[in-house]
Amino acid sequence: DQQVKQNSPSLSVQEGRISILNCDYTNSMFDYFLWYKKYPAEGPTFLISISSIKDKNEDGRFTVFLNKSAKHLSLHIVPSQPGDSAVYFCAASSSGTYKYIFGTGTRLKVLA
Amino acid sequence: DAGVIQSPRHEVTEMGQEVTLRCKPISGHNSLFWYRQTMMRGLELLIYFNNNVPIDDSGMPEDRFSAKMPNASFSTLKIQPSEPRDSAVYFCASTGGAGYEQYFGPGTRLTVT
Repeated sequence: DQQVKQNSPSLSVQEGRISILNCDYTNSMFDYFLWYKKYPAEGPTFLISISSIKDKNEDGRFTVFLNKSAKHLSLHIVPSQPGDSAVYFCAASSSGTYKYIFGTGTRLKVLA
Repeated sequence: DAGVIQSPRHEVTEMGQEVTLRCKPISGHNSLFWYRQTMMRGLELLIYFNNNVPIDDSGMPEDRFSAKMPNASFSTLKIQPSEPRDSAVYFCASTGGAGYEQYFGPGTRLTVT
């Protein structure tokens, strides 16, 4: 049973436009969420995180939004750049645990 | 820092053979994780260690899989005997504490024929 779901396996966006990647979770005990970015032949790298006490966290071009009532989070990339083309994973965990549950990933392609 | 180091980067083996994947975490990190990436299930946590002790191995698919962490700077994931359905990319990650980001190695691509 997938506790963290990324229902869009792929997404294509024009350079300069906004990319929106979505993630849903089922476990109400999750209170910390992260996004990782993965290039081919490399390991995932941390991008941005958000705690459940917030509903938004921003870092440069990247913003993560959390809707706890809907158990939904999204990653916005504005403006999108060709170098953002990668697979994006969302992950969730509960306070004090080391265990992250990852989604299946969304492949983003930014077209020049 | 060299980051998390994994070896080999690629492994091709025949069904029934033993496979050993290796990982060196970032120095000073006290937690180590083994993940498997497949198209269908994404990144699955197989097992994680805290201070060299296995804490949660509920993700280990079968008894054919085993993992050890004999010291703070080395861990192995062994599959014996290997099967074609074990073909995947296996990642090792480490972290300095709960709630901190995990740092991933480059992965080992395993192909079992």
